[in-house]
Amino acid sequence: AQSVSQHNHHVILSEAASLELGCNYSYGGTVNLFWYVQYPGQHLQLLLKYFSGDPLVKGIKGFEAEFIKSKFSFNLRKPSVQWSDTAEYFCAVIPYNTNAGKSTFGDGTTLTVKP
Amino acid sequence: NAGVTQTPKFRVLKTGQSMTLLCAQDMNHEYMYWYRQDPGMGLRLIHYSVGEGTTAKGEVPDGYNVSRLKKQNFLLGLESAAPSQTSVYFCASSWEFTYNEQFFGPGTRLTVL
Repeated sequence: AQSVSQHNHHVILSEAASLELGCNYSYGGTVNLFWYVQYPGQHLQLLLKYFSGDPLVKGIKGFEAEFIKSKFSFNLRKPSVQWSDTAEYFCAVIPYNTNAGKSTFGDGTTLTVKP
Repeated sequence: NAGVTQTPKFRVLKTGQSMTLLCAQDMNHEYMYWYRQDPGMGLRLIHYSVGEGTTAKGEVPDGYNVSRLKKQNFLLGLESAAPSQTSVYFCASSWEFTYNEQFFGPGTRLTVL
């Protein structure tokens, strides 16, 4: 069974600092990758996704992520965070050619941005 | 469009009581999902459905039952609630599961005493 690991459980940054959140997965085949964000009191929403092609994908609100196949990683980055980026971030992996029950989410990383 | 809605938003149960959580979506999605979110454990899939009249088990199905009698609704039932089922429950839907994002509801916070 596949698994998703988000190594940083809680990250605290000051505004304008750069952000990188790690996401590693274990699965031998082809996968689709997603980052979701959950702002305080709100439901999860999609930040960005990767299916194929350019391994550097850009999402909403200035976020980007890079897929490194050899490292089984899909790290989320943002050059300069804002207070409004305070949220919980989830990485998700969906393998190809499986059923819908194989969607796997990481444990989440809580980001706190100090003004 | 309302997207994905969940009823109720909060609920407190006593051990052994039963309840049903309702999820509704107005996007004509085929796939619907129920997750639970617990601190430090992220989102875990309880049950899912690939279309009207279908249901399937996810990662943590024990203690829960589901039904999808109508395409737009996905119900999650707890027949005999246990304190271990204290959690936040999220419903989600999608066109299909591989390439499309899941749209999430606002969540239901359930406490079982």
